[in-house]
Amino acid sequence: GAGVSQSPSNKVTEKGKDVELRCDPISGHTALYWYRQSLGQGLEFLIYFQGNSAPDKSGLPSDRFSAERTGGSVSTLTIQRTQQEDSAVYLCASSIQGASSGNTIYFGEGSWLTVV
Amino acid sequence: KQEVTQIPAALSVPEGENLVLNCSFTDSAIYNLQWFRQDPGKGLTSLLLIQSSQREQTSGRLNASLDKSSGRSTLYIAASQPGDSATYLCAVRQVAGNQFYFGTGTSLTVIP
Repeated sequence: GAGVSQSPSNKVTEKGKDVELRCDPISGHTALYWYRQSLGQGLEFLIYFQGNSAPDKSGLPSDRFSAERTGGSVSTLTIQRTQQEDSAVYLCASSIQGASSGNTIYFGEGSWLTVV
Repeated sequence: KQEVTQIPAALSVPEGENLVLNCSFTDSAIYNLQWFRQDPGKGLTSLLLIQSSQREQTSGRLNASLDKSSGRSTLYIAASQPGDSATYLCAVRQVAGNQFYFGTGTSLTVIP
């Protein structure tokens, strides 16, 4: 696609429910990143994919968070048993090559999650 | 761990003024530094990317400089316009590791 596409753009869910957030990166981009931005906070790294593998999951805040990427393209971030502190904007980004390159990183518009 | 700091946190200027946003980072072992713009309720838009071997990059009214050895970058905006009002974020991509490290941003308001 022309840009990084994320869905849903907005999600309100009840505490304890599971949510799935989807990211469709720019076509041909092998590297994919998930970040989280809480209100008034900076961007917090969650996970990095190179192709379908995730060499860096160090930012996932708990075992309630998981992510996968299939076909080297679409990625899904899943949050199980959501808590109110999970409320944030979840931003996905992609770049042509992996972390050891100097390529520009492009962001989607984000998925705004509110846990009530 | 890399720490990225942006000063000031907020800035308000009259239209037409030139301004400088600052970004500093603690670990100089970086591949590149990127400046982004974020409008309210939106994602991040890339403005300028400076490779570690470069000193500056220019795009229109924007000029970004990089002094890797001192861990500093500046974003210069010439002849500011109300449409420049947004939050500006800098991010560094380290040689070690797989992520970009972001500052907390400078919120810019350009008053007509």
